[in-house]
Amino acid sequence: DAGVIQSPRHEVTEMGQEVTLRCKPISGHNSLFWYRQTMMRGLELLIYFNNNVPIDDSGMPEDRFSAKMPNASFSTLKIQPSEPRDSAVYFCASSFILAGATDTQYFGPGTRLTVL
Amino acid sequence: AQSVAQPEDQVNVAEGNPLTVKCTYSVSGNPYLFWYVQYPNRGLQFLLKYITGDNLVKGSYGFEAEFNKSQTSFHLKKPSALVSDSALYFCAVRDPGKSSGDKLTFGTGTRLAVRP
Repeated sequence: DAGVIQSPRHEVTEMGQEVTLRCKPISGHNSLFWYRQTMMRGLELLIYFNNNVPIDDSGMPEDRFSAKMPNASFSTLKIQPSEPRDSAVYFCASSFILAGATDTQYFGPGTRLTVL
Repeated sequence: AQSVAQPEDQVNVAEGNPLTVKCTYSVSGNPYLFWYVQYPNRGLQFLLKYITGDNLVKGSYGFEAEFNKSQTSFHLKKPSALVSDSALYFCAVRDPGKSSGDKLTFGTGTRLAVRP
C-alpha cells in the first residue's frame, strides 16, 4: 500500500517567492493534517481537514499561509510570500476518523523547505 | 487544554539493556495516547496506541507502553535495546471529550541513543 505521498521532498527558494507543498493522503482516509517541524518549536499542527473541509486552522501562523483540499486525494499548503523563518520540514498526515472515535495518523516523508 | 510532557531530551542506553522513554499527559477526560518514532530525514512512524482496555500496550519492533491513570503516564519501554532503535521518539495525546476535535498534541520528543 502506498503511504502518504508528499512532493517535493526538498524545496529551496528565495525570500518573497511563492511555495506550494503537495500531499496525497492514504486512499480511504477522510482526515488530513499539515504539520511543521523546527528545532525551536518542535512539531506544530498548522491545519486539519475532515472530509475535505478545514476544521481547525488555528495553527496557521499568518495570512501568508493557506491550505486547500479540493478533493479527498489531494491537498496543498501554500506560502506566499515566503520568508527565511518559514524554513522547516513540513509534514502531511492522514487518518480515518469517525464521529466520537479517532484513529492513528500516518505521516508522509515530509518536505524540507529552505527559504534563502 | 490537553498537553503532554517528555521530561528527558535524551536517553542513553547500552545495547541489550532495557530502555524507558518517559511521557506524562494532562487531559480532562480519558486520553487517547500514542507513541511515534522518527528516524533521521524521515516522517513519523506509528509505534503503538492506547485507547481503552489493557493498560499494557504492545506495538511495533518489540516496544510496549504502560498506561498509568493515577500517575498520568504512558512510558515507552523495550526489554532489550538495539542500536537500530536510536531515533527521536514522540508521545502524543488526544482528549476525546474536549472540543479540540481530532487534534493530537505532541511532546517535544526524546532522542534515544543506543550504544553498541
